[in-house]
This record gives sequence, structure tokens and C-alpha cells, in this order.
Amino acid sequence: DTAVSQTPKYLVTQMGNDKSIKCEQNLGHDTMYWYKQDSKKFLKIMFSYNNKELIINETVPNRFSPKSPDKAHLNLHINSLELGDSAVYFCASSQTVTNEKLFFGSGTQLSVL
Amino acid sequence: RKEVEQDPGPFNVPEGATVAFNCTYSNSASQSFFWYRQDCRKEPKLLMSVYSSGNEDGRFTAQLNRASQYISLLIRDSKLSDSATYLCVVNPGGYSTLTFGKGTMLLVSP
Repeated sequence: DTAVSQTPKYLVTQMGNDKSIKCEQNLGHDTMYWYKQDSKKFLKIMFSYNNKELIINETVPNRFSPKSPDKAHLNLHINSLELGDSAVYFCASSQTVTNEKLFFGSGTQLSVL
Repeated sequence: RKEVEQDPGPFNVPEGATVAFNCTYSNSASQSFFWYRQDCRKEPKLLMSVYSSGNEDGRFTAQLNRASQYISLLIRDSKLSDSATYLCVVNPGGYSTLTFGKGTMLLVSP
């Protein structure tokens, strides 16, 4: 009955590979997000979707492609992985686009070798 | 100037101590403010909102000073379980997403 669940929890892969991270929320929220937390612990927004529509894309390389099949799911596909992509990726949701309480998933630790 | 700045710490305090963290923000038009808590290798969770009048939740007190553009968090009677990173979070307003500080690490020792 986890509110925001993302898989996998750990992802270890080689440079150049393509990988996906999945996220689902069962809170009935309208808005979902992807955040990246790098080794310096800085948590930075990547994308925001509201009712399946992209509303924020924060200067993220186009190797990163989010997809929202419905408002309860927001997946992240990454092409041609690079060393610098290694980080923890957090999915989050909020009730509405202006609601400020974020519920985060437990994170996916991506290590690119 | 960074949008949200915090002293990264760590702040090392004994159990029972009182500890305070400050955070400054650069956008004077920012509308709302929060403290999130992040345990090691876990996701951030909302700790409390910060109101202009100040607010208290048990041992935690948050204050906002709009004139000086800073937010504070005071923790009284620290517990071992308070050990975590405390993230200062600012809402710039409109449809902008929340801006997170890098966090202040607190270590409470027996």
C-alpha cells in the first residue's frame, strides 16, 4: 500500500546502455515529478507532469524521456547512459500542480560504470 | 547567489541539546516555505510548513523573516532519531516547482 512506488531500487549498468525507471502513485494525485539527487545531495527537478501533460522540463538532455500513460504513472527512460547520470532519481507526486506537499518514492540509485 | 542556501553542517549535538538551522533564499517574491527531512539513503519527507507568524510542532519551531529572506528551524531536546538532513524548501510561486536547498546534516549523539 505504498503511496509512491518506484522500481528498481538499484540500477547498475554500463555506459551507453538504455534503461527505464518506473513510478506509480496510488494517492489519486494529479501531478507527478522526477527529481535527481547527485553526489553532492542537491535535489533538482527534472520534469513535472500534470494529468499526463508535461508542464516542466528543466534543461534536461533529450536522452531523458519521461512518459506518463495515465496520471498515476510517470516513467523515465534514459538513452545512451553516461557516467554523469549516476545519481539517485526520486519520483514524487502532489495533489495538484500548485499543491506544495510532495510525496516522494524511495528513490532509484543509478550507477553507470 | 544560490536560490536557497544552507550550512551543510554536520551539526554534532548531544541528546537533549537545542539546535537551530538557518536558510536564506534569494527570490524575494517567494510565496511559501517548508522544512523537509531526509534520512540517510531515504526519500525526503515534509517536516513542517513555515508561516510568517511562526509555527510550532512539538519540539520543532519554524520561523520566517521575509525582510531578511531567511527561514529558521529550532529543535529542542534533541533525540537520537532527529539525526537526519534537514532540507529548506522554497516555493517561488505560480507554477514553478519547489526549490530545495542542499540540506543541513544533524547528528545527535548519546
